[in-house]
Amino acid sequence: GESVGLHLPTLSVQEGDNSIINCAYSNSASDYFIWYKQESGKGPQFIIDIRSNMDKRQGQRVTVLLNKTVKHLSLQIAATQPGDSAVYFCAETAASYDKVIFGPGTSLSVIP
Amino acid sequence: GAVVSQHPSRVICKSGTSVKIECRSLDFQATTMFWYRQFPKQSLMLMATSNEGSKATYEQGVEKDKFLINHASLTLSTLTVTSAHPEDSSFYICSAWTGTWGYTFGSGTRLTVV
Repeated sequence: GESVGLHLPTLSVQEGDNSIINCAYSNSASDYFIWYKQESGKGPQFIIDIRSNMDKRQGQRVTVLLNKTVKHLSLQIAATQPGDSAVYFCAETAASYDKVIFGPGTSLSVIP
Repeated sequence: GAVVSQHPSRVICKSGTSVKIECRSLDFQATTMFWYRQFPKQSLMLMATSNEGSKATYEQGVEKDKFLINHASLTLSTLTVTSAHPEDSSFYICSAWTGTWGYTFGSGTRLTVV
């Protein structure tokens, strides 16, 4: 099967601080990028997406930045809350209906 | 929004038996569904893409005879793990492109082979 990486980096942040989760993607032809949140024992939950013709997109408390030159994505979470503790995955696809390939994931732990 | 209902959520089976996992699209038609496997503390690994009415496309390294995928209707795709062994124990997740609401994921199936 296809996947990107087999380890799970961790990030610990204090409640109320901002979190930044980084991701390097593999395919320069990817056109659509998605950030997912996964809680233990559950399927991935959509957070925010961005297309390759954009470099920034903002949602509620979240911002995604895309740097196509270095194939890098980041997810910024403002005022991180305990409920944000989860594993976060970046994902890429060549088109918005095509197969989605997931990055290695980052485990975010929020310290109360 | 569009929902994919995945069952069972948990299953324990004996080594050598087969297990079927179902994913049903509710309120939308899923021409294509994607099947993933996830081992503990690892990422989701794409296993195959199932297309309604045609053969599934398997990713490199995934045994098509072991992981049988059937997508006989626009609302149902199934994954059958045949002759399951302990190393097949994993979290299996389906996904579908809904169009308006993007990709939606099933809640996952925890398979334990004993």
